[in-house]
Amino acid sequence: QQQVKQSPQSLIVQKGGISIINCAYENTAFDYFPWYQQFPGKGPALLIAIRPDVSEKKEGRFTISFNKSAKQFSLHIMDSQPGDSATYFCAARNIGNLIFGKGTKLSVKP
Amino acid sequence: GAGVSQTPSNKVTEKGKYVELRCDPISGHTALYWYRQSLGQGPEFLIYFQGTGAADDSGLPNDRFFAVRPEGSVSTLKIQRTERGDSAVYLCASSLSSGGAEDTQYFGPGTRLTVL
Repeated sequence: QQQVKQSPQSLIVQKGGISIINCAYENTAFDYFPWYQQFPGKGPALLIAIRPDVSEKKEGRFTISFNKSAKQFSLHIMDSQPGDSATYFCAARNIGNLIFGKGTKLSVKP
Repeated sequence: GAGVSQTPSNKVTEKGKYVELRCDPISGHTALYWYRQSLGQGPEFLIYFQGTGAADDSGLPNDRFFAVRPEGSVSTLKIQRTERGDSAVYLCASSLSSGGAEDTQYFGPGTRLTVL
């Protein structure tokens, strides 16, 4: 299976709150799991990434949690800010190319 | 340094016409990728190059789509006999290599193709 399933489709969070986006995959051959942030009219930009031999990675307000046995991973955005309002994509690497989820549109209300 | 650049930023064409989309990767990046993003969807892989050769073209939807990278830097995505269903944003990305430990793919801003 090549799919990466992402949820929720959209998310509204108050400023200062925690945003959580979840992804699940089937192919155990995936070896790298990045999260991308995309603003309207722009290309996706790498936010944070993790390899399957690590259970958690934190960079500033962004944390990836990875559960290899469940084949799930999630993005947590702490202290969410209005400037974080964007579409977020999880992805999984299959040898060279990335397979993306369908995206989560995050709106952070002031 | 400069990021990935793509030209044109917008392209409007008529059904049945031929189009070329150009990608200039980050200097020194040997791997180059093309993706297509439809409205409200995630990017969908089309093809990737390692150097001058297409390492994986399994994502190309049909033989109307073709891509080249003759000198291992700039790449052109070519679409023949365009159809309305080809309308999408075409994204290009590059990375230092492909399949490396954590080779980050850096994306360009995309070319928005509209087929009337």
